[in-house]
Amino acid sequence: QKEVEQNSGPLSVPEGAIASLNCTYSDRGSQSFFWYRQYSGKSPELIMFIYSNGDKEDGRFTAQLNKASQYVSLLIRDSQPSDSATYLCAAYSSGNTPLVFGKGTRLSVIA
Amino acid sequence: GAVVSQHPSRVICKSGTSVKIECRSLDFQATTMFWYRQFPKQSLMLMATSNEGSKATYEQGVEKDKFLINHASLTLSTLTVTSAHPEDSSFYICSARGGRTGGDYGYTFGSGTRLTVV
Repeated sequence: QKEVEQNSGPLSVPEGAIASLNCTYSDRGSQSFFWYRQYSGKSPELIMFIYSNGDKEDGRFTAQLNKASQYVSLLIRDSQPSDSATYLCAAYSSGNTPLVFGKGTRLSVIA
Repeated sequence: GAVVSQHPSRVICKSGTSVKIECRSLDFQATTMFWYRQFPKQSLMLMATSNEGSKATYEQGVEKDKFLINHASLTLSTLTVTSAHPEDSSFYICSARGGRTGGDYGYTFGSGTRLTVV
């Protein structure tokens, strides 16, 4: 059973702080990993993806991947109230298989 | 970027009727479409996977005769909820594999359909 685990939260951080979201996955065959943001009542929107060990930065967002530990994280710098949402971690294995999603972490950025 | 257009965004129907939800890939060919359902405050639940021109593969516990999926072309997939009941009320989202979103591993989501069965 392929699983992606996330802490459901809520994770509360003050405005301007760094929010750290974590995710672990069970399938060592997973090739790449996605972070999606989902606002209440809306569809998930892709923030970024990562497939190599190490860090990948995109604006205020940094994804980190450690395949040996089967661990993925997302850092949000200078958190804003508009970042308050549920963040979904997803793993991709191969071919036309569906992404395996975690249950999501709810982030609340307090002004 | 890759766009998947999903319609309708909201629908209210009477119990016992059928509802069709459409997902169209606007600027790419969606070889595979995934259909998800999401209940309030819960995560995405994969319902089925469809490949263009072939029968959909349903996840365990999903009734294929109740949730009819058609993927007749590379740009259009439909989900029909037949004989809908209040317990089918949910947020339905399609996701297409193809396009450039996320690089070579693009998974593009539609905007979702809020179904309410009364």
